Amino acid sequence: AQSVAQPEDQVNVAEGNPLTVKCTYSVSGNPYLFWYVQYPNRGLQFLLKYITGDNLVKGSYGFEAEFNKSQTSFHLKKPSALVSDSALYFCAVRPYTGRRALTFGSGTRLQVQP
Amino acid sequence: NAGVTQTPKFQVLKTGQSMTLQCAQDMNHEYMSWYRQDPGMGLRLIHYSVGAGITDQGEVPNGYNVSRSTTEDFPLRLLSAAPSQTSVYFCASFTQTGPVGANEQFFGPGTRLTVL
Repeated sequence: AQSVAQPEDQVNVAEGNPLTVKCTYSVSGNPYLFWYVQYPNRGLQFLLKYITGDNLVKGSYGFEAEFNKSQTSFHLKKPSALVSDSALYFCAVRPYTGRRALTFGSGTRLQVQP
Repeated sequence: NAGVTQTPKFQVLKTGQSMTLQCAQDMNHEYMSWYRQDPGMGLRLIHYSVGAGITDQGEVPNGYNVSRSTTEDFPLRLLSAAPSQTSVYFCASFTQTGPVGANEQFFGPGTRLTVL
């Protein structure tokens, strides 16, 4: 069975500083990896995904993520944080084969201070 | 496109009552699913469907029932509500065109359910 770990419940960063939200996964075979963001009282919005190819994936709102197969990680990054980036971030994995359901991590709350 | 819509936005039930959470999508997506979101636990899959007439259980199916008579609609039924079902419920859909499983899911705005 697949699983996702987001080791930090909350990440605090000052506006203008780089941010990293960590994610590690476990899956049989190759993974499809996703990041979603949730703003208060809203549904989840897709940010970016890794399917295959280049390990650095660029997504919406200036976010990017780096796939590291040896470390089974898919950390979310942004060079310069904005206060408006404050939200709940979820990492998710789906294996290449088998059931199509996404398995989500527990979420990391990002707080960007002005 | 309206995307994925869910009704109601909020609901309060008493223990033992039944109700149906509605979900509809207008993107002609084959795959639809229901998740519940609880604090510190991420989203957990309740039931999913890969097309009209086909449904299957997810990670936490007990106490919930689904059917998929059309591509657009995927209602979730609570048979006899319990306080443990107090949660936020999200419906999601995605297309299976292209590399199967590689497509992102589109989520509805959620239904906040409280069971007293």
